[in-house]
Amino acid sequence: DGGITQSPKYLFRKEGQNVTLSCEQNLNHDAMYWYRQDPGQGLRLIYYSQIVNDFQKGDIAEGYSVSREKKESFPLTVTSAQKNPTAFYLCASSKGQGTSYNEQFFGPGTRLTVL
Amino acid sequence: RKEVEQDPGPFNVPEGATVAFNCTYSNSASQSFFWYRQDCRKEPKLLMSVYSSGNEDGRFTAQLNRASQYISLLIRDSKLSDSATYLCVVNPTDSWGKLQFGAGTQVVVTP
Repeated sequence: DGGITQSPKYLFRKEGQNVTLSCEQNLNHDAMYWYRQDPGQGLRLIYYSQIVNDFQKGDIAEGYSVSREKKESFPLTVTSAQKNPTAFYLCASSKGQGTSYNEQFFGPGTRLTVL
Repeated sequence: RKEVEQDPGPFNVPEGATVAFNCTYSNSASQSFFWYRQDCRKEPKLLMSVYSSGNEDGRFTAQLNRASQYISLLIRDSKLSDSATYLCVVNPTDSWGKLQFGAGTQVVVTP
């Protein structure tokens, strides 16, 4: 089945530790995105990538880093510099440039809790 | 002012009734719009895309009013399974790839 997978589903981290969240897609989509969602708030864009080996900061990139070495994969690292990392992290993908529309499809998310 | 605004609700709807709610957006140049459905503690799932004046898919109808810069979602013959948060999403034309998300409208369908 084609889709987006994220792992782990739940993640607990001690303060001061870096953690990496995995996101993989087999939809052959060019573009991938990372969002965080806090209770009662809309999704906020952390980073996005329109093509392999290229990515741009979103609205709340501070304390996060990404890489896009393969089309299928877009891992997100939450560093110790992120002051309030406890949140629901969602990865998404879309077909990308050349398409008229930009529907994004989401993975199941990773719920990160900092202890 | 937020880029995409929604009434958070909840909208409490008897089963079988019709419910409608709006979403307003600030960027008048926006061309495409989406409604996503998000269940509690789950990922958003695309419900429908809106590119022209509106779209209809079964019991769900979305309408776009460009002059007043809002889109609406109407759910007919509500089912218990329609209980969810509905996210309004806007694609501003000057920012390819970056969608703007509303915080969502909660709908609760009661027996």
